[in-house]
Amino acid sequence: KQEVTQIPAALSVPEGENLVLNCSFTDSAIYNLQWFRQDPGKGLTSLLLIQSSQREQTSGRLNASLDKSSGRSTLYIAASQPGDSATYLCAVNGSYGKLTFGQGTILTVHP
Amino acid sequence: GAGVSQSPSNKVTEKGKDVELRCDPISGHTALYWYRQSLGQGLEFLIYFQGNSAPDKSGLPSDRFSAERTGGSVSTLTIQRTQQEDSAVYLCASSLGPGGHSGNTIYFGEGSWLTVV
Repeated sequence: KQEVTQIPAALSVPEGENLVLNCSFTDSAIYNLQWFRQDPGKGLTSLLLIQSSQREQTSGRLNASLDKSSGRSTLYIAASQPGDSATYLCAVNGSYGKLTFGQGTILTVHP
Repeated sequence: GAGVSQSPSNKVTEKGKDVELRCDPISGHTALYWYRQSLGQGLEFLIYFQGNSAPDKSGLPSDRFSAERTGGSVSTLTIQRTQQEDSAVYLCASSLGPGGHSGNTIYFGEGSWLTVV
């Protein structure tokens, strides 16, 4: 059974810092991995999707990497801003979109 | 519409009553998913529809839960004889095709917040 772990559970940083969120998964037989953002009381917003054959994806200040063989992914956020404060969720896709989620990292960026 | 639409956004119901939650996927998306997010449990898969194929119901927690998708578009998740442990956010998602090795991004709605009292 796939298990996804996210570290740290919570992170508080001052504005402007670069930061890394970690995600690990136990079964490397995945099709892709997706990073989501969830604001309080809201649904999930897709940030980046990395196919199993890819090593990384970038979107603006976000960069996600994937090392499938070791079961790890990282989400790098450059020059963090207060508007980045949210819960970040990592989800692995082992079959047609049946996602297994981590518990999330609660990020707070203070001015 | 522009995104996945869910209704109601909030529902408070008495224990033992039935509830129906509705999902309108993004137009043209053939794959539709229901997930549940509860405190302490994280996000868990409930059911998956792909086109006209038989749905994958493997995540439904009990036979009180059922879902249907009419005309390959709108979906309804029904919970019969609700229990307090059913209190959660029910999230619907859709993708252009199967969100697996085809690499289709999965888009989520805002969720239906269900409280059973």
